[in-house]
Amino acid sequence: ETGVTQSPTHLIKTRGQQVTLRCSSQSGHNTVSWYQQALGQGPQFIFQYYREEENGRGNFPPRFSGLQFPNYSSELNVNALELDDSALYLCASRREREAYNEQFFGPGTRLTVL
Amino acid sequence: QKEVEQDPGPLSVPEGAIVSLNCTYSNSAFQYFMWYRQYSRKGPELLMYTYSSGNKEDGRFTAQVDKSSKYISLFIRDSQPSDSATYLCAMIFNQAGTALIFGKGTTLSVSS
Repeated sequence: ETGVTQSPTHLIKTRGQQVTLRCSSQSGHNTVSWYQQALGQGPQFIFQYYREEENGRGNFPPRFSGLQFPNYSSELNVNALELDDSALYLCASRREREAYNEQFFGPGTRLTVL
Repeated sequence: QKEVEQDPGPLSVPEGAIVSLNCTYSNSAFQYFMWYRQYSRKGPELLMYTYSSGNKEDGRFTAQVDKSSKYISLFIRDSQPSDSATYLCAMIFNQAGTALIFGKGTTLSVSS
C-alpha cells in the first residue's frame, strides 16, 4: 500500500462542466505530480507542485490548474470539460523533487466526460 | 516520432517463461530510466530505477540500459500469472527534471 490516496474514484461529467480531483500525498512527501492517462496510453505529465508552488508544467492548456496545500495534499481542477478529457488522472508523490526512485502513484480518478 | 516508443503488445506467455520488454527513445539527454508495473484499475508501481548503461537485477527482474543504442529492456525470469499487468517504461533528463516521459505500456499476460 503506497499511502497516496485519490478521490473520487470515478466521476461522470458533461461537456463544459468543471471538476476538482483530490490527492492526499504519502506522509512526509513534499512533491506532487499529476498525470493524465488516456485509455491504452502511457501517463502524460500535467504539472508538478513542490512546497505549494507549481514548478513544472506539461503541454496542457490553462483550463487545467492545481493547488498544493500546506499539508502537501493537492487538487487538480479542470474547467470547461471536453470529451477528450476522459481519462484516468493519477497523482504521484515523493519525498523530495529529486527522489524519483521513491515516487508513489495513487490509484487514480477515472473521469468520464459525456 | 514520439520521444519514447514501446510496443503495446499484447504479449502472452506461459508460466515460467522469460519475458523481454523493450523501449526505444530518441533523445540522448535522457539519463534516468524506470520501469513501472500497472495492474488493471490501479496506479503504476515502480519496479526498477536505473541510471547508467548496463544491467541492474532485483529478484526475478533485470533492467538493462544501452545508452549508445537508446534502448532499454526489462527481463522477467520465471514469469508468474501474478506478473500479468501493463509494464510502462519511463525516463527523465535528470533528477531535477519535473516530467516523467512514459512509453505507451506493454500488456503482458502470463497463463498458468
